[in-house]
Amino acid sequence: DTEVTQTPKHLVMGMTNKKSLKCEQHMGHRAMYWYKQKAKKPPELMFVYSYEKLSINESVPSRFSPECPNSSLLNLHLHALQPEDSALYLCASSQGDRKYEQYFGPGTRLTVT
Amino acid sequence: GQQLNQSPQSMFIQEGEDVSMNCTSSSIFNTWLWYKQDPGEGPVLLIALYKAGELTSNGRLTAQFGITRKDSFLNISASIPSDVGIYFCAGGETSGSRLTFGEGTQLTVNP
Repeated sequence: DTEVTQTPKHLVMGMTNKKSLKCEQHMGHRAMYWYKQKAKKPPELMFVYSYEKLSINESVPSRFSPECPNSSLLNLHLHALQPEDSALYLCASSQGDRKYEQYFGPGTRLTVT
Repeated sequence: GQQLNQSPQSMFIQEGEDVSMNCTSSSIFNTWLWYKQDPGEGPVLLIALYKAGELTSNGRLTAQFGITRKDSFLNISASIPSDVGIYFCAGGETSGSRLTFGEGTQLTVNP
């Protein structure tokens, strides 16, 4: 099973709202990632968790707050977002010895109004 | 940071034609990967390459890891309508876990 699931599929939120994106994988992968993708552009790395610890934060604004409750779950908490944060948010996971083979979820389409 | 130059930016072909796209870099990568992304979906891993000179196939897809470790190409033979999508190359750095992505090749297949 090479499936990464993400919920919700679509999310519309106002700039004062607080919401969370969820990601789950059951492949036993120990690295999980959050990416942001704008239309017709490649994914941009936001955060990397390795063995449930944050290992990379690509200077992401604090209005994005990641959380890794356990080895299968990854959350992205959103607060006070801006319209320019509207994008497709992708979660991915990979094994330790094949860390570059990242398996992506279907993404959450986020619209900030 | 490292950059990948992916070409062509877009391709319009007839069903049944073969397709070739490539990525080049000024830096060395230890791993090259090719992904395909359909509209509204996440990228799907097609092929991963780990050794310079390696040639790997996955059905009608063939990819190669360049000898210099600075380039890779992807060929699709006998294209079909479901090959439509955006193809991204990605390079794995010599250390860490970051992938550097190319800008993508938009493929359109006319039936």
